[in-house]
Order: sequence, then C-alpha cells, then structure tokens
Amino acid sequence: NAGVTQTPKFQVLKTGQSMTLQCAQDMNHNSMYWYRQDPGMGLRLIYYSASEGTTDKGEVPNGYNVSRLNKREFSLRLESAAPSQTSVYFCASSAKGLTGTEAFFGQGTRLTVV
Amino acid sequence: GNSVTQMEGPVTLSEEAFLTINCTYTATGYPSLFWYVQYPGEGLQLLLKATKADDKGSNKGFEATYRKETTSFHLEKGSVQVSDSAVYFCALSDSGGSYIPTFGRGTSLIVHP
Repeated sequence: NAGVTQTPKFQVLKTGQSMTLQCAQDMNHNSMYWYRQDPGMGLRLIYYSASEGTTDKGEVPNGYNVSRLNKREFSLRLESAAPSQTSVYFCASSAKGLTGTEAFFGQGTRLTVV
Repeated sequence: GNSVTQMEGPVTLSEEAFLTINCTYTATGYPSLFWYVQYPGEGLQLLLKATKADDKGSNKGFEATYRKETTSFHLEKGSVQVSDSAVYFCALSDSGGSYIPTFGRGTSLIVHP
C-alpha cells in the first residue's frame, strides 16, 4: 500500500522559474493538504482540498496555486519561485468527517530556490 | 480558531531518562488529539491518538492522556532510547468543525547514549 506519494523528492530552482509538485494518494481520502515546513515554524498550511473539485487557501497561500485533478491527485504549483519559498513541502490526506481519523503524509519535497 | 502550543526544544536527554513534552490546545469544537513523529529525512507519521476526554493513547512506550479540563495532551515515555531521537508534533482535528489538521511547531528530541 503506497499511501501518499510525492514527486520529486529534491529540486533546485532558480529565482523566477516555475514548477509543479505532484501528490497522489491511494486511500480514497476526500481531503488533501499541502504544508510547508520551515525551521522553528512547524507545519504551515498552504492550501487544502475538502473534496474533488474544491480548493481553499490556508495560512500561507501567496505565491502558490493548486489543482485537485481528481480524487487521488492534488498538485502544488509555484509560478515564479522566490528564495523565500525554499522549504520542505509535505502533501497529506485524510478521511474528512470521521472522528479520530489521522492525516497521512508523503515523504516530502525539499525545494531550494537560488 | 483552533491552535496547538507545544514546548520548544530541543529536548536533550540521556538514554533511559523520563520524557515529557507538553502540549496544550485551543479548539472551538470537540477535537481529536494526536502526536506525530518525524524521523530525519522523512514525513510525519502517527504515533498515538485520543478521541475524547480522559482517553489515553499509547504506542511504542509513549503515552498521552486527553485532559479536557486543562486542554492538554502531554506526551510521556518512561525510558527513552537513542532511536527515539526525532521531532514530535502535537496536533488536533475536529470532525465537527474544522477538520483540517492543526499542528504545533514541533519539539526536537535528542537522546544521547
């Protein structure tokens, strides 16, 4: 059982370049999330999707866009990368509405913008 | 809105020492509470959880009790090992309100032999 799969694992971009981080889950979860992890800041929510066809902004959405392509896939796009977007990005999913259901995480994408 | 506050680290202990990592929360509904662990270079994985007041979650020697009166969910382990070195995140989600997982800032644990 693969769980949540993120690609790529590592990426280096130049300022101004664009890229898309891919995420797919095979647990039939309705809800999917993108977080970024920075030292001393914990996990901050970028965007989330409650269900297929819906997306909403989280705490730190500026500079990002997302697409919920279908129930399995939720991608994060950086249109014009900036050094402030250097971070580790995690995709997660969960079964919305069930008491006690936990989030499942991918392995992360370590992004460096130079 | 929902929020989680956990003690800052790093927490540095010798092997076989007792561990406590404090966590308190604010929630508008009736949250479920979680501890996640992140080993170096990996994603977060669930360590334990509790879904209602006075529940105790436990796994791998770690325990935490859901205390509604003090809005706390402190993580404890009686005897830590070097292999427990990791970052620990307290989190909540509220199936009746905002289901989105809310995380604390994480506490780094370093265990020396």
